[in-house]
Amino acid sequence: AQSVTQLDSQVPVFEEAPVELRCNYSSSVSVYLFWYVQYPNQGLQLLLKYLSGSTLVKGINGFEAEFKKSETSFHLTKPSAHMSDAAEYFCVVSETYSSASKIIFGSGTRLSIRP
Amino acid sequence: DTGVSQNPRHKITKRGQNVTFRCDPISEHNRLYWYRQTLGQGPEFLTYFQNEAQLEKSRLLSDRFSAERPKGSFSTLEIQRTEQGDSAMYLCASSGDVYEQYFGPGTRLTVT
Repeated sequence: AQSVTQLDSQVPVFEEAPVELRCNYSSSVSVYLFWYVQYPNQGLQLLLKYLSGSTLVKGINGFEAEFKKSETSFHLTKPSAHMSDAAEYFCVVSETYSSASKIIFGSGTRLSIRP
Repeated sequence: DTGVSQNPRHKITKRGQNVTFRCDPISEHNRLYWYRQTLGQGPEFLTYFQNEAQLEKSRLLSDRFSAERPKGSFSTLEIQRTEQGDSAMYLCASSGDVYEQYFGPGTRLTVT
């Protein structure tokens, strides 16, 4: 069965410092990978997605992620953090050509920004 | 495009009562999903509709839970005989394809 692990439940960074939120997954078949962000009192919003092709994907708000199949990872990065980046981030894996129930969310990483 | 809306945003109920939540998806989206999210966890899949047909249900969806999507538009999620363990955030999402879901703000249920 597929699974997704977000290795850090909380990540504090200083403003303008680089950000890395880690995500590893396991699956026996090809997968789609996503990162969603959840701001307080708002719905989850798609940051970026990997479906196929280039393994480096760019998303909104300056975030990007790299799909590394050999490491089964999809870490989210940003070169310089802003205060507005403070939120909960979810890594999501979905087996290709599979059912809705196979969309699996990680447990989330809370990113906090220190001035 | 007004996004996905959910009502109510908050619901406090006593154990044993029935509650119903509503989700209005983005109008052109034919796919609709319900998730449950508890503190410190990611959303867990509950059920999925394509148009008016309920195509998938999670094992998490006990017989006290029922969901409908009449006419393939809005959807309702009803919980009968609520239990304290039902306290959670209930999220609705819609999509036009399999690649991107648009989420509503959620309904926070507290069972006392």
